[in-house]
Amino acid sequence: AQSVTQLDSHVSVSEGTPVLLRCNYSSSYSPSLFWYVQHPNKGLQLLLKYTSAATLVKGINGFEAEFKKSETSFHLTKPSAHMSDAAEYFCAVSRAGGTSYGKLTFGQGTILTVHP
Amino acid sequence: GAGVSQSPSNKVTEKGKDVELRCDPISGHTALYWYRQSLGQGLEFLIYFQGNSAPDKSGLPSDRFSAERTGGSVSTLTIQRTQQEDSAVYLCASSLYGVQETQYFGPGTRLLVL
Repeated sequence: AQSVTQLDSHVSVSEGTPVLLRCNYSSSYSPSLFWYVQHPNKGLQLLLKYTSAATLVKGINGFEAEFKKSETSFHLTKPSAHMSDAAEYFCAVSRAGGTSYGKLTFGQGTILTVHP
Repeated sequence: GAGVSQSPSNKVTEKGKDVELRCDPISGHTALYWYRQSLGQGLEFLIYFQGNSAPDKSGLPSDRFSAERTGGSVSTLTIQRTQQEDSAVYLCASSLYGVQETQYFGPGTRLLVL
C-alpha cells in the first residue's frame, strides 16, 4: 500500500523568500516520488521526480526536492518565491511494476500563496 | 508536439443521463491513466491501460463507470446514470511504458451533474 501526506494545506510566503512544501510518504516498495503543480483551471505539470538515483532532485523553475528515506520525506523547496509560483502543489508516489504499474497516489495538495 | 487532449472541456448533464469523456494520449504512449479530482476526495486513480488492456480498474467507484481504449490510442470513460457525486474534474494522463516514466496530464474534463 502507498500513501502520501502533505503536511500543510496552505502555505503563504512573500515574494523573494524561500518556499518549503512538506511531503511524507508511506510505501511498501521502493518508491518513485513526484511533485506536480496545478495552476487554476489547468492540468498537472511535472516539477520533478525521484526515481532511486540522486537523492537531491532538481526540477523546473528553480524547484528542488530531497529524498530522505530515514524520514520518509520528500519536501519541495525553492530559494526565492516568484509571484508566478502561486498555485496548488501535489506530491505523489508510484510503484514500478505489477498490475498497478505507474499508478500515482496523490497527497491532498498544498495551496501556495505568494504576496508581493 | 501535441500533448494529451481531452474532450469536452466542460460538460453539464442532468442526473440520470449517461456521459462519455474522451482522452487522446500523446502519440506512441502505451500507458494511459484516468484520475478524478474532486473537492472532497482530492486526486484519485480510476483506471490504468497498457495498450488496449486494463490491468488495473481498482479505482472505478462503481459499476456505473467503465472505460475502454481502442487501437492503443484514444480512450473513452463512460459514466452511466450520472449522480451528483460524480461531479468532478476527470483527468487523463499518458506515459511511455517503462520504469518510472513520467505521466503527462491533459487539461481535464469538468463534469457537473445537476
